[in-house]
Amino acid sequence: EAGVAQSPRYKIIEKRQSVAFWCNPISGHATLYWYQQILGQGPKLLIQFQNNGVVDDSQLPKDRFSAERLKGVDSTLKIQPAKLEDSAVYLCASSLQQFSTDTQYFGPGTRLTVL
Amino acid sequence: GEDVEQSLFLSVREGDSSVINCTYTDSSSTYLYWYKQEPGAGLQLLTYIFSNMDMKQDQRLTVLLNKKDKHLSLRIADTQTGDSAIYFCAETPGNTGKLIFGQGTTLQVKP
Repeated sequence: EAGVAQSPRYKIIEKRQSVAFWCNPISGHATLYWYQQILGQGPKLLIQFQNNGVVDDSQLPKDRFSAERLKGVDSTLKIQPAKLEDSAVYLCASSLQQFSTDTQYFGPGTRLTVL
Repeated sequence: GEDVEQSLFLSVREGDSSVINCTYTDSSSTYLYWYKQEPGAGLQLLTYIFSNMDMKQDQRLTVLLNKKDKHLSLRIADTQTGDSAIYFCAETPGNTGKLIFGQGTTLQVKP
């Protein structure tokens, strides 16, 4: 079974530029998560989708971050404009459903460096 | 509130047992998890425990839960150099699936 795929794996941009990350979850998984992991910290949830609807985006900085999952499968996370403090690893995870009993499987992440 | 605390670093010798500790704040968490992260890799689920259990054993891993003190620990028996990684404790408030992670404990295993 294929795992969660993410691209690109690395991205370097200058502040105020835009960037987009892509995630392809495990086939059949209804729930998709984006986490931000700053160096030396644990991952922090940015947004949670159930199919193509948003369940939780309370910690998403909506003035600069946006995410979509239009057909309930792949998802993109965008930052516009980027700030220095956005340098982090962006992790995508998916699970069968949205409950605590459903294991989350993580992708390898996209490492973003903002200069 | 939702907060998870872990010690930052643990160093052990190969063959010894490792114990990684975690405290959490949300008593509504139904499951508590341990994840492992190796350099440049994503997070790998190691094990989890349901909140009405005190202990769970899975091969070399033993999870202990003290719900009264909101304290969780992970014991790795016969620690190997391949166990060197960052270990994250996580709680799931309510039944939403949302994971709240600690800051991670770096385990260093010396030969």
